[in-house]
Amino acid sequence: ELKVEQNPLFLSMQEGKNYTIYCNYSTTSDRLYWYRQDPGKSLESLFVLLSNGAVKQEGRLMASLDTKARLSTLHITAAVHDLSATYFCAVVTGGGSNYKLTFGKGTLLTVNP
Amino acid sequence: NAGVTQTPKFRILKIGQSMTLQCTQDMNHNYMYWYRQDPGMGLKLIYYSVGAGITDKGEVPNGYNVSRSTTEDFPLRLELAAPSQTSVYFCASSYSMVTGTDTQYFGPGTRLTVL
Repeated sequence: ELKVEQNPLFLSMQEGKNYTIYCNYSTTSDRLYWYRQDPGKSLESLFVLLSNGAVKQEGRLMASLDTKARLSTLHITAAVHDLSATYFCAVVTGGGSNYKLTFGKGTLLTVNP
Repeated sequence: NAGVTQTPKFRILKIGQSMTLQCTQDMNHNYMYWYRQDPGMGLKLIYYSVGAGITDKGEVPNGYNVSRSTTEDFPLRLELAAPSQTSVYFCASSYSMVTGTDTQYFGPGTRLTVL
């Protein structure tokens, strides 16, 4: 059974600081997604990482993927309050027409002034 | 485009009642999914569909049923509601998941409480 583990699950940080969220997964996959969820809202796709060594950046967020280590990171640079949300990684498994996403439990990020 | 829409937004059910959660997408996506999200947990896949007339079980299908008669609609049926089905339910769709750039688009969710 595929396991997707995120850590930390809770992260409280000050504005202006840097931090990294980690996503480990237990089986081979060549694709990983990062989503953002604001409180009481739906999920919004942030990044799709397609191959080993892939790096994507959007504003203060940068995501990377190491398929050999089965690890993805989401790095936050100079955090601002607007980044407060829950961040999920999700791993693609399957083949043919049966691709599925398995989600981690999420990391609740709170950015304090 | 409205994207993925879900109704109702909120619902309270009594134990043993039944209901249908509605999901519609207007993006002509082949794939549709139902997830549940419990507090502090990630999303768990309940059922999914790869096209009209084709459905399959996900990780947590017990107590639920689905149908897919059209490309646009993918209703989720709860029979004999139980407190363990208290959760937030998200519907999602994607064109496919075969190509790397595809992603799932999520609806706004339905918050269900079973008392």
